[in-house]
Amino acid sequence: GENVEQHPSTLSVQEGDSAVIKCTYSDSASNYFPWYKQELGKGPQLIIDIRSNVGEKKDQRIAVTLNKTAKHFSLHITETQPEDSAVYFCAASRTYSGAGSYQLTFGKGTKLSVIP
Amino acid sequence: EAQVTQNPRYLITVTGKKLTVTCSQNMNHEYMSWYRQDPGLGLRQIYYSMNVEVTDKGDVPEGYKVSRKEKRNFPLILESPSPNQTSLYFCASYPISPPTYEQYFGPGTRLTVT
Repeated sequence: GENVEQHPSTLSVQEGDSAVIKCTYSDSASNYFPWYKQELGKGPQLIIDIRSNVGEKKDQRIAVTLNKTAKHFSLHITETQPEDSAVYFCAASRTYSGAGSYQLTFGKGTKLSVIP
Repeated sequence: EAQVTQNPRYLITVTGKKLTVTCSQNMNHEYMSWYRQDPGLGLRQIYYSMNVEVTDKGDVPEGYKVSRKEKRNFPLILESPSPNQTSLYFCASYPISPPTYEQYFGPGTRLTVT
């Protein structure tokens, strides 16, 4: 099955600096890579995702890059703010055209602290 | 408001006393799933369901049961809880069709088994 490794497990940055979280995956057939943010006391929430036919995707201050050859993908957060403090999870999955089940394999999470 | 609800949010119980954690979604999603979250282990899937009366095991199904008799509900049953099932549990739902594969998570149920 799929195995997802995530680093670092904790990350502290000064407000305004950039944060980068990296993940590697093992299944070369995986083609969907989401990132979830979990705030204290809440369930995870999707913040960005990328499909394997795309190398990079941006949404305001967050971006995800994917290197299929090396089987790794990264989350980049620029101009960090205190409200970015949370636990971030990467995940990987195979998806299928049309209707079909898919099962996410999650990394172990990164606790990001943004220091004001 | 589109949401996944779980009850109870907190539960303390004793070994062997059967319990049920309820999960309900109002988005008419076909797929529903249960995860447990443990420190240093991330999120691990327990069971999932592709539709009414269709369920399958995830990565850590031992000690759990599920049922899907209605599309909106997916309860998690622990028939004889043990201390190693102390964890934070999340229910999630997601639609059958692209373009989105987003999973919508409930707020979590913190279970302590003594």
